[in-house]
Amino acid sequence: DSGVTQTPKHLITATGQRVTLRCSPRSGDLSVYWYQQSLDQGLQFLIQYYNGEERAKGNILERFSAQQFPDLHSELNLSSLELGDSALYFCASSVDQGRGYTFGSGTRLTVV
Amino acid sequence: AQTVTQSQPEMSVQEAETVTLSCTYDTSESNYYLFWYKQPPSRQMILVIRQEAYKQQNATENRFSVNFQKAAKSFSLKISDSQLGDTAMYFCAFNAGGTSYGKLTFGQGTILTVHP
Repeated sequence: DSGVTQTPKHLITATGQRVTLRCSPRSGDLSVYWYQQSLDQGLQFLIQYYNGEERAKGNILERFSAQQFPDLHSELNLSSLELGDSALYFCASSVDQGRGYTFGSGTRLTVV
Repeated sequence: AQTVTQSQPEMSVQEAETVTLSCTYDTSESNYYLFWYKQPPSRQMILVIRQEAYKQQNATENRFSVNFQKAAKSFSLKISDSQLGDTAMYFCAFNAGGTSYGKLTFGQGTILTVHP
């Protein structure tokens, strides 16, 4: 157990639907990052939150949004889902830049 | 923008032998951090080793070590005494520090297969 908890582990949904992915960071970590990993692809940075505030944005689609709550857990909302959104979505947390991330086990999203 | 390049899509090695995975990066920053992550078939992302750019000494973690060549912007990973459990995708990652707020840029990965 890495200390970063992601739920659900698997999600199957239809095109056009909306889903919410949840992440609880490791205790003491203020930064939360969301990454998307499509099949046989590298990891694409989506968005970062630090202590409740958005800090950096990557190639995140307008149909996607995220937030970090006062208890530091974060949610990634994906709407108007398309087949191409099928991917593994990782949440990671960190205490500072130099130590790297601790990753959750990911949410496997399948859009049918 | 920072880029990370892993030029070896796939590598294979015999058990107990040594293998080196390559990584190059491009940045204009002077202080930054470099990482190697392992992703086994379970798809879990595991931090293998990290290097701070201002430290000249190469990082070592048990059987894993890096060859950090700052001038050449090269950061290779050496795995000694390879084990079957080392079979995984390996990602090189870069953090520019400063105002990047910890965002990691990943390379495309190298699939490593360890054969018995």
